[in-house]
Amino acid sequence: DAGITQSPRHKVTETGTPVTLRCHQTENHRYMYWYRQDPGHGLRLIHYSYGVKDTDKGEVSDGYSVSRSKTEDFLLTLESATSSQTSVYFCAMGTDTGELFFGEGSRLTVL
Amino acid sequence: AQTVTQSQPEMSVQEAETVTLSCTYDTSESNYYLFWYKQPPSRQMILVIRQEAYKQQNATENRFSVNFQKAAKSFSLKISDSQLGDTAMYFCAFMKPYGGSQGNLIFGKGTKLSVKP
Repeated sequence: DAGITQSPRHKVTETGTPVTLRCHQTENHRYMYWYRQDPGHGLRLIHYSYGVKDTDKGEVSDGYSVSRSKTEDFLLTLESATSSQTSVYFCAMGTDTGELFFGEGSRLTVL
Repeated sequence: AQTVTQSQPEMSVQEAETVTLSCTYDTSESNYYLFWYKQPPSRQMILVIRQEAYKQQNATENRFSVNFQKAAKSFSLKISDSQLGDTAMYFCAFMKPYGGSQGNLIFGKGTKLSVKP
């Protein structure tokens, strides 16, 4: 039982198209996060959520939006994908004691 | 702003030996959390060990232990009796305690550890 899943796991799209990545958790955690991982940069925070409809920007939020209408789902949207958004995206859920549990990652390629 | 620095991009160790991965961080906070995460080739991030800054005792989890030096802002990871399955990228991370909208986990750029048979 993974507790947190991401979909899709792989996606190839074209520049200018919208893309939505979904994160789903079954642990009822309040905190959820979207990170991107790129060579030489480690993981960088895009957006995070501290409750239903409560979200905030991270370090690299330009070009991304998020929504959290239910505790279990956290969506990341690229309104108009660009090649610079080619990356591996990780969703995470966080406990009140500061531990994060990550999904398996979603590899996005923007051509 | 907080920063996390891992000065060793790559390291290798022989199976069954001990290796230490370095991490330093910069913060003006007095209370915070520090973590080591492991990312094997399967890509999934796995929590290895966690330290709360107000605790002086170093955290340990089986073969993994940390050397937490708060004044020096240093948080190194020691892996004893290294196993082939320890081969992975290791990320050091910093987090301010939760409160309101806080909870941002800040990562270092990682150290690639190879365990050789």
